[in-house]
Amino acid sequence: AQSVSQHNHHVILSEAASLELGCNYSYGGTVNLFWYVQYPGQHLQLLLKYFSGDPLVKGIKGFEAEFIKSKFSFNLRKPSVQWSDTAEYFCAGRDTGNQFYFGTGTSLTVIP
Amino acid sequence: ETGVTQTPRHLVMGMTNKKSLKCEQHLGHNAMYWYKQSAKKPLELMFVYNFKEQTENNSVPSRFSPECPNSSHLFLHLHTLQPEDSALYLCASSQVGTTSVNEQFFGPGTRLTVL
Repeated sequence: AQSVSQHNHHVILSEAASLELGCNYSYGGTVNLFWYVQYPGQHLQLLLKYFSGDPLVKGIKGFEAEFIKSKFSFNLRKPSVQWSDTAEYFCAGRDTGNQFYFGTGTSLTVIP
Repeated sequence: ETGVTQTPRHLVMGMTNKKSLKCEQHLGHNAMYWYKQSAKKPLELMFVYNFKEQTENNSVPSRFSPECPNSSHLFLHLHTLQPEDSALYLCASSQVGTTSVNEQFFGPGTRLTVL
């Protein structure tokens, strides 16, 4: 079965530090990939998505992700985090059907 | 109201109760989903409806019963639940059948506690 895995369960960073959250997917065919964010007390929101084309995808709030097909990876990055980035981050994939596969999430805490 | 709304936001129920969760999407989408979100676990897809027809049921116990009367409304009927069913239940919608990437839009969830 298709799956998405996130390596980091809890990340703690100081403000202005660089961020990289890992995401790997198991599906070998055409795949759409997403990163969602869930701020404390709020609902899941889309950060960015990859469908095709340029493997470097830019999203909202300065986030970006790179699709590396050979590594089955779609890591999320941000060069300088802020306290307001404290949230839960979820990687998700969708195959040619209409099923979405979510990772377990990474909890990010940014210390002022 | 815009986006995806869910009611109630919080629900506490006993194991013998019957309750329903409601979801409404105001985005004109044609697919709706129920997910269960538990701590330290991936989001678990429960049900998928495309054009009001159920297309997925991921081995969900029969004590959870979905209903989709139209493409904008989705219900989850609950009866004789177990304490391990306590979780955040999320509703989502998306547009299916277009050439664009149809990401899902999520509601705020219903925090369910089963006593």
